[in-house]
Amino acid sequence: ELKVEQNPLFLSMQEGKNYTIYCNYSTTSDRLYWYRQDPGKSLESLFVLLSNGAVKQEGRLMASLDTKARLSTLHITAAVHDLSATYFCAVGGQGYGGATNKLIFGTGTLLAVQP
Amino acid sequence: IAGITQAPTSQILAAGRRMTLRCTQDMRHNAMYWYRQDLGLGLRLIHYSNTAGTTGKGEVPDGYSVSRANTDDFPLTLASAVPSQTSVYFCASSRDRTNYGYTFGSGTRLTVV
Repeated sequence: ELKVEQNPLFLSMQEGKNYTIYCNYSTTSDRLYWYRQDPGKSLESLFVLLSNGAVKQEGRLMASLDTKARLSTLHITAAVHDLSATYFCAVGGQGYGGATNKLIFGTGTLLAVQP
Repeated sequence: IAGITQAPTSQILAAGRRMTLRCTQDMRHNAMYWYRQDLGLGLRLIHYSNTAGTTGKGEVPDGYSVSRANTDDFPLTLASAVPSQTSVYFCASSRDRTNYGYTFGSGTRLTVV
């Protein structure tokens, strides 16, 4: 059974600082996604990582995937208040779901960037 | 505007009552999903459908049922609501075997009292 763990669950950081959110998963997968959720809102797709060593960057966020370690990271560079949100990783693909595209989500990381 | 529409936005429901959450998409996506979101537990898959006419159980299917009569609609029914079904429910869709992940609806906040 595929399990996805994120840490930390809560992250309070100051503007201008760097930090990393970690996403570990328990079984083989070649497909990992990062989503952002603002309070009371739906989930917005941030990154799609489809191969070992994949790295994607958008603004102050950079995501990477190591399929051998079953680990993805979301790195935040020089955080700003607008990045405050909950971030989810989700895993699916090979070895899970057959013909479906079922994703298993982590518990989320609540990021609070303080001025 | 292409996307997923969920209704209602929020609902307070008496325990024991029947309730159907509606989900409609206009992207012609074959696969659709229902998740519930609870604090500290993330999103958990309730039911899914690979294509019209087929459905399957997710991680937490008990107390819920779904149907997929056509490509666009994927309603979720609570036959007899219980307080533990208080949650935010998200409908999502994706293309078959897509690499692009899901498109999510805006969610339904359900409170069972």
